[in-house]
This record gives sequence, C-alpha cells and structure tokens, in this order.
Amino acid sequence: SQTIHQWPATLVQPVGSPLSLECTVEGTSNPNLYWYRQAAGRGLQLLFYSVGIGQISSEVPQNLSASRPQDRQFILSSKKLLLSDSGFYLCAWSSRAGHLEETQYFGPGTRLLVL
Amino acid sequence: GQNIDQPTEMTATEGAIVQINCTYQTSGFNGLFWYQQHAGEAPTFLSYNVLDGLEEKGRFSSFLSRSKGYSYLLLKELQMKDSASYLCAVDSGGYQKVTFGIGTKLQVIP
Repeated sequence: SQTIHQWPATLVQPVGSPLSLECTVEGTSNPNLYWYRQAAGRGLQLLFYSVGIGQISSEVPQNLSASRPQDRQFILSSKKLLLSDSGFYLCAWSSRAGHLEETQYFGPGTRLLVL
Repeated sequence: GQNIDQPTEMTATEGAIVQINCTYQTSGFNGLFWYQQHAGEAPTFLSYNVLDGLEEKGRFSSFLSRSKGYSYLLLKELQMKDSASYLCAVDSGGYQKVTFGIGTKLQVIP
C-alpha cells in the first residue's frame, strides 16, 4: 500500500529564517506530487506541483520554492520566511497510471508558525 | 478563473441527515471531489464524481449535475465523529490541477 510522510510535524521559526519541509511517498512510482498551504479560515491553496524529477510548476508567486531531487521526494523551501508564511502545509500525491481514479492523497501535514 | 462556493458552517443533530451543497464555475471540468478534514488533520478522500447522478458509499452519498455546476454531499445517520470540515474540490484538468473550496464546517450535536 502507498504511504506519504511529511516532516517535521510542527515547526516554529523566526521571520527571516530559512525553511525546508520534506515529503516522501512509498509504495508507488512516478507519482504526481503537490504542495498545498491551508491558512487559518481559508481553503487549500496549491503552491507547487510536479509530474517528474526536476519538473516543478508554480501556481502562486511567492518567496517559496520546491524541488524534486528523487522520484518520490518533494521538498518545499524558503530562504527567508515571512509572517504570512504561517499555515498548515500539506503534501499530496496522485497516480498518473489511471484517469478516473486520480485522487489526491494527503500527507499528515506540517504546521508552521512564523514569529 | 476558478470559483467554488459552499456554506461556511452547518449544524445537525446526531442520527439525522445533512446535505452539504457546492456550486462551481471553473474553466474546464474533469470531476469533483469531496474530502473530509478533521480539525488539525489532513484531508481524507470521500468521493469522486465524473458523471451526473448520485453515488452512494455507505452512509455517505455524493451527487453531481455538470450542467448546473452543482454537487452535494449527503450524510445519513449522523454520528458525533462526522463533525469535521467537508471540502468540495474540482478537477479542472491540466496535470490534474484541483481547486478546493474553503470547506464546510459541520458540527454534529447530541
């Protein structure tokens, strides 16, 4: 079965500090990978998606970046965090094998608080 | 642009039936998802509708009308554990990009 991991679970960082959040998927190959942010009282906002190693598409211009160094690893980074970066960060994967069943499955999330 | 509307909050009684509505206007449509998200947790998949009509999965059913840009999630025999946010999301295609609604926070009361 497929599993998706994220770490850390919780993070408190000062404004201006760097960020690195990691997501790994097990039990599948060539997944689509996604990073979302969910701010308090707001819906899920798609930040980045990737269809393969080194292939990253950005949905929203911001001070965040993403990388996919391996097939099942997706990293979200920032050089300098802003207060507005606080939120619940969710990684998700979906299969590219089928069509009707391309559901996105979410990791447990990382709760980031920037102070 | 993409626009998805659903009520912000709903309250229902344990054992009752509740219907959570979702309307959407999107550029492209492949299908519509419903996810359940308990407070502080990640969303979990409930259903995916592609064709018009009602799909039933146990106590949960999901309905879609593509011509009306409308869907609803029906929860029967409500239990306290059903208290959660329910997210409507549209798959508008293009590397399966999915747009999420803000979610409906459902509170089940005794």
